[in-house]
Amino acid sequence: GDSVTQMEGPVTLSEEAFLTINCTYTATGYPSLFWYVQYPGEGLQLLLKATKADDKGSNKGFEATYRKETTSFHLEKGSVQVSDSAVYFCALSKGSQGNLIFGKGTKLSVKP
Amino acid sequence: SAVISQKPSRDICQRGTSLTIQCQVDSQVTMMFWYRQQPGQSLTLIATANQGSEATYESGFVIDKFPISRPNLTFSTLTVSNMSPEDSSIYLCSVAANREATQYFGPGTRLLVL
Repeated sequence: GDSVTQMEGPVTLSEEAFLTINCTYTATGYPSLFWYVQYPGEGLQLLLKATKADDKGSNKGFEATYRKETTSFHLEKGSVQVSDSAVYFCALSKGSQGNLIFGKGTKLSVKP
Repeated sequence: SAVISQKPSRDICQRGTSLTIQCQVDSQVTMMFWYRQQPGQSLTLIATANQGSEATYESGFVIDKFPISRPNLTFSTLTVSNMSPEDSSIYLCSVAANREATQYFGPGTRLLVL
């Protein structure tokens, strides 16, 4: 069945460091791909999305490119801030089914 | 995006009791979903709430344990019945304008069962 695999956390970085969180997926057809972020004690917020191959989603300095050839959607940010400390979830959706399939989440801690 | 609220935001319940969680959205939406996030885990879809008909449950979830109502296009409830400590989780509703649209999540209900 369809699935999402994320790199294991936690990830600890210093402020202004470069961030990569790997995400790969297994799915038939052409899923849409998402990154959601969960700040401590809060619900999920949509961070960015891409709906077709080679699309790049971006928001708040974060970027991810939909790579169909490698079935990947890695999250990157050039310079992280303490306020980026959160849990990041990669997810896929197939329109015909409507529901989201999530990875296990990667906890990011950014130290000043 | 839609503004989604959930009530209660958190609760502590005794085993054997039931809790009903409400999800309200400020605009009409076609799709509403209920997810569970167990401590330190990812999100798992419980069911799709269908307006005017029975909810569609995912494997491992049954109506007797998680009855769902959806009386209109802006409101849904999830009941966690006959609770046990294993039901301690965050329960989140999400909404989407249609089946292909992006899902947006409510703030979640944090449930602790003693």
